[in-house]
Amino acid sequence: DIQMTQSPSSLSASVGDRVTITCRASQGISNYLAWFQQKAGKAPKSLIYGASSLQSGVPSRFSGSGSGTDFALTIISLQPEDFATYYCQQYNSYPLTFGGGTKVEL
Amino acid sequence: EVQLLQSGGGLVQPGGSLRLSCAASGFTFSSYAMNWVRQVPGKGLEWVSDISGSGGSTYYADSVKGRFTISRDNSKNTLYLQMNSLRAEDTAVYYCAKAYYSGSGSYYPPDYWGQGTLVTVSS
Repeated sequence: DIQMTQSPSSLSASVGDRVTITCRASQGISNYLAWFQQKAGKAPKSLIYGASSLQSGVPSRFSGSGSGTDFALTIISLQPEDFATYYCQQYNSYPLTFGGGTKVEL
Repeated sequence: EVQLLQSGGGLVQPGGSLRLSCAASGFTFSSYAMNWVRQVPGKGLEWVSDISGSGGSTYYADSVKGRFTISRDNSKNTLYLQMNSLRAEDTAVYYCAKAYYSGSGSYYPPDYWGQGTLVTVSS
């Protein structure tokens, strides 16, 4: 199975900050990586697929990058509604696997 | 507007069975693969299963293989997860999710998610 390791597991940030979350795969996954945002008690929201393509309706302050084993989710100018937990998921091969999550706190 | 309305969760004893449903609207249901993803309260996300738009291809996590069955009724625009031989470790919130693209032959991650339904396995 492909292991997905996110770092950091949590971070503190302020409104307006630039935030970067990294996700590392235990083996190469090309660009078959998705990112999701989840707020407490809510269903996940899809942000990015194909490592860097934004889902419809996702603000342009979110961006994804990377290929192979190392990926990043960047939020430029963090907004109050962005405080949440973020997960990466690889879909290069089964079983599909998620990272452990990164909690972005105020 | 895409909507995924889940039902069927609840409390069940170990060894028991439960069927989850996910009623879809706002898109051509039969064209899109669908997923089940679960989350133990306070923990991370775990992919459980997915099914192709036609229902002809299904995939499962090892943790549920042989116990859970994913299926769909395209005439009713509904996705199902039949869960048998339930264990305490199956306790989680279960989400259904729609693939973002209608192509076949490859996996496409979700774009829309249901509201989630809690399954509690306990005596």
